[in-house]
Amino acid sequence: EAEVAQSPRYKITEKSQAVAFWCDPISGHATLYWYRQILGQGPELLVQFQDESVVDDSQLPKDRFSAERLKGVDSTLKIQPAELGDSAMYLCASSGPGQKQETQYFGPGTRLLVL
Amino acid sequence: QQQVKQSPQSLIVQKGGISIINCAYENTAFDYFPWYQQFPGKGPALLIAIRPDVSEKKEGRFTISFNKSAKQFSLHIMDSQPGDSATYFCAASPGGFKTIFGAGTRLFVKA
Repeated sequence: EAEVAQSPRYKITEKSQAVAFWCDPISGHATLYWYRQILGQGPELLVQFQDESVVDDSQLPKDRFSAERLKGVDSTLKIQPAELGDSAMYLCASSGPGQKQETQYFGPGTRLLVL
Repeated sequence: QQQVKQSPQSLIVQKGGISIINCAYENTAFDYFPWYQQFPGKGPALLIAIRPDVSEKKEGRFTISFNKSAKQFSLHIMDSQPGDSATYFCAASPGGFKTIFGAGTRLFVKA
């Protein structure tokens, strides 16, 4: 069964350092999402791509966060500089065309700890 | 208006019992209401979803009840099993865009 791949699975960094997370969606899925999940809370959408275009980044802290999906396939989320409050699980999800477009398939996430 | 309020925060149920989780929303533009199940260290996985044109949807032991006038929907897990112990999230979206998740319910099923 096809899965969303994410790396790394865990990342420990120091405050003010740069970090990057990678996501490879399910093949053929045009829509890709990045979520942040703080422990004990639900996922919060950071950015949504349709192919290579951003369709929603209203909750992305653009002073420090950036996201790209240059060829409309895999995607990178970057934080620079990282702050203590960025410690969270970063989840990537993708969804496909047609009837099941709303069904989002999540990857295992990257757990970030900022010291 | 964009929030989805979920309750309870945690739930303990005996094996074989019924688990009930409730959610409420305000935004009438929401037209897709999924429930996700998340195990520790894993990403959420779609469990079951409903659209507002039906009042109930059942898949195996899982049932969504939907009350459009009250803007509420709930997940019922019949014959709850220890393997159902996980965190459950309700969510809502307008046409699949900008999905808003509830805060989650941690379910523990006692053997």
